[in-house]
Amino acid sequence: DAKTTQPPSMDCAEGRAANLPCNHSTISGNEYVYWYRQIHSQGPQYIIHGLKNNETNEMASLIITEDRKSSTLILPHATLRDTAVYYCIVRVADQTGANNLFFGTGTRLTVIP
Amino acid sequence: ETGVTQSPTHLIKTRGQQVTLRCSSQSGHNTVSWYQQALGQGPQFIFQYYREEENGRGNFPPRFSGLQFPNYSSELNVNALELDDSALYLCASSLERTGYTFGSGTRLTVV
Repeated sequence: DAKTTQPPSMDCAEGRAANLPCNHSTISGNEYVYWYRQIHSQGPQYIIHGLKNNETNEMASLIITEDRKSSTLILPHATLRDTAVYYCIVRVADQTGANNLFFGTGTRLTVIP
Repeated sequence: ETGVTQSPTHLIKTRGQQVTLRCSSQSGHNTVSWYQQALGQGPQFIFQYYREEENGRGNFPPRFSGLQFPNYSSELNVNALELDDSALYLCASSLERTGYTFGSGTRLTVV
């Protein structure tokens, strides 16, 4: 089962920063937080991941709280193309060593012109 | 580098039939995972193959089976199709079970 909690939907004005929260209160010390997004009818697209330090790449920034129980994905200047479902995922490793991604229902972000 | 490609893109099958979906992994990737995504839901993990061996399985019945070939391409087979098997089936490949690249999926409709 997914171990994250996200709001079902959010709106953001075009050009403004979009801040998407995620709670993962049961995260273990060696589990990473991954963010993916899925634009309608396409496969999920990797955005960013982190363990405990804040991370930034060309797409977004990831802010992880010091206790690691929550994180925020920041899209600094949202565009209409960022309208998608955003998934926050805690990466688990089962007994076989497989590293699976367990998706929840995500946050549907709508960027408004 | 090529991405993950899946075929076919769309498929319609009759209840009780069998179906095979195909996935070509991203070049150099040795791990493939399959996911089922019902309408309005997040993807659900079916199973993963690593170096041609099943390496993890989600909560799916045995009629969902798979193969990974020496070139790391993969198949998902579903026997005795049920109406609830209608979904988008996603393939994701990775190198040594790390970062995942997803294909665009196969939309299966069971009637």
